[in-house]
Amino acid sequence: ETGVTQTPRHLVMGMTNKKSLKCEQHLGHNAMYWYKQSAKKPLELMFVYSLEERVENNSVPSRFSPECPNSSHLFLHLHTLQPEDSALYLCASSQGVRPGGNTIYFGEGSWLTVV
Amino acid sequence: TQLLEQSPQFLSIQEGENLTVYCNSSSVFSSLQWYRQEPGEGPVLLVTVVTGGEVKKLKRLTFQFGDARKDSSLHITAAQPGDTGLYLCAGGGRGSTLGRLYFGRGTQLTVWP
Repeated sequence: ETGVTQTPRHLVMGMTNKKSLKCEQHLGHNAMYWYKQSAKKPLELMFVYSLEERVENNSVPSRFSPECPNSSHLFLHLHTLQPEDSALYLCASSQGVRPGGNTIYFGEGSWLTVV
Repeated sequence: TQLLEQSPQFLSIQEGENLTVYCNSSSVFSSLQWYRQEPGEGPVLLVTVVTGGEVKKLKRLTFQFGDARKDSSLHITAAQPGDTGLYLCAGGGRGSTLGRLYFGRGTQLTVWP
């Protein structure tokens, strides 16, 4: 138990579906992240939120839409995905965001398969 | 271009053996972290090193940060099957964008009983 909970753990969706991934952190942190982990690439940072404001978006396609309603919750809304978007999506949190990197704590991930 | 190179990519050993995995870069990092990830789970933080030359021990695991803060190593003594997993290093660069960590591809370690 890392204090970061993700649901669902597994999701299969068609290319025309709309679904959402949910993340909740119980660590009192004020920054949250979405990472993508696929078989052929290292962990890729997708979005960073600090104090509920998006502070970084690494050129992620618009079919991925994040939402951070408060410092404890983070969503990733999925729409019109492609099969190559199939991957493990990891949520993480940290206390603050500072230059030089933070210690971040990951959730268990949501396995997404796009068919 | 991969910012952090980890080697070896795969390592398969018998229980009781010692091993070292490496994390190298041409860039200087303010901090470096090691994570272990088991199948179907998220990465779990093992250690953070921040000072050049720093050595940290966690039971049978010894982590070292290079003097120039460009590289790190993880040494495991008397490996056990429970050490099996993907070991990831991640570096926080000087002036890096707001909390960003750069991850290596990882070393997949398998320890056979």
